[in-house]
Amino acid sequence: SQTIHQWPATLVQPVGSPLSLECTVEGTSNPNLYWYRQAAGRGLQLLFYSVGIGQISSEVPQNLSASRPQDRQFILSSKKLLLSDSGFYLCAWGTAGTEAFFGQGTRLTVV
Amino acid sequence: AQKVTQAQTEISVVEKEDVTLDCVYETRDTTYYLFWYKQPPSGELVFLIRRNSFDEQNEISGRYSWNFQKSTSSFNFTITASQVVDSAVYFCALSDEGVGGAQKLVFGQGTRLTINP
Repeated sequence: SQTIHQWPATLVQPVGSPLSLECTVEGTSNPNLYWYRQAAGRGLQLLFYSVGIGQISSEVPQNLSASRPQDRQFILSSKKLLLSDSGFYLCAWGTAGTEAFFGQGTRLTVV
Repeated sequence: AQKVTQAQTEISVVEKEDVTLDCVYETRDTTYYLFWYKQPPSGELVFLIRRNSFDEQNEISGRYSWNFQKSTSSFNFTITASQVVDSAVYFCALSDEGVGGAQKLVFGQGTRLTINP
């Protein structure tokens, strides 16, 4: 069966520090991968998605970037975090026409 | 552009009551999918249902039921005989096709459901 792993679960980072969140999927090949963010008290917003290795589509211009170095690995990064980057980050995978399956999420607090 | 509206920000009911969560969507696509997800306090999103725009049949799964009405662009979710474990934030979502067939999701703001014992 397919599983998705996301880490770390929680993270507290100072303003201006770099960020790297990692997500891996097991049990499937060539999945579509997604990064969503949930700001406090708000809905979820799609940040990036990828349909293949090295292919990244950005939905919202911001201080973050994404990369997909391997088929089942999706990384969210920032060179310098801002206070506004705080939130709950969720990685998800899916295939064309199916539901998305989400990871456990990373709660990021920028201080 | 795709849009999902969940007008009910918070709902609080007593255990065993029935409760309906509303979802209204906007899209110009003729083919689309609608979803409901549950977010318990732990934070992960749990998939509940996916509905194709061509299938307007209502669906029942145990205490859960969904009413899809294309004429009113609504996809409402009813929990019958609610239980404390149903307490969570519930999100309605609409598909938006992206590059390469990716299924982007447009979420509503969510409804926080509290079931009191």
